[in-house]
Amino acid sequence: QKEVEQNSGPLSVPEGAIASLNCTYSDRGSQSFFWYRQYSGKSPELIMFIYSNGDKEDGRFTAQLNKASQYVSLLIRDSQPSDSATYLCAVQGGKLIFGQGTELSVKP
Amino acid sequence: EAQVTQNPRYLITVTGKKLTVTCSQNMNHEYMSWYRQDPGLGLRQIYYSMNVEVTDKGDVPEGYKVSRKEKRNFPLILESPSPNQTSLYFCASSLEGAETQYFGPGTRLLVL
Repeated sequence: QKEVEQNSGPLSVPEGAIASLNCTYSDRGSQSFFWYRQYSGKSPELIMFIYSNGDKEDGRFTAQLNKASQYVSLLIRDSQPSDSATYLCAVQGGKLIFGQGTELSVKP
Repeated sequence: EAQVTQNPRYLITVTGKKLTVTCSQNMNHEYMSWYRQDPGLGLRQIYYSMNVEVTDKGDVPEGYKVSRKEKRNFPLILESPSPNQTSLYFCASSLEGAETQYFGPGTRLLVL
């Protein structure tokens, strides 16, 4: 089992829809959770972080954390073509581990 | 402008020819790290440094060396590159620990 696993892509959604990106992790002691966005040919950039169970909202983005289920997700509301990118989940327990990424494509 | 810089951005070399990829940050960050990114494998940490003269292995350190003589610089050294080190390399820094990392633009390396 991978330490951090993301749902396999690519994920395709129509413009204006909600995109749901999921991530599970194996280390129950993990304390910090991050979502990075990476455009093709570019470096990753942080878009959200969450430390506590529940939801955290920032504009069109909502991060959801459920430590009991070892699950973290990212919802993107009103998806735009500019949201098309690879989304990386990162989990910090003893060290920071990245998932393999999920490619999102938002179709106009 | 706060940033992480890497040089070179692109490099083609041959097996066994030593090379160094430089990384520099101007944010006075204590934590710096190197990652490689390969298709289907995501970002994997090579080495990290908590502060000057303090470095430690990440998940895939074999074939790489690092040094941290100054706070702002964290070069990655490949003493004898091999084709399996062909990859996209990212340097990153953060204020402390591994949180909220700022990534450099990446170095694409091809080892023939």
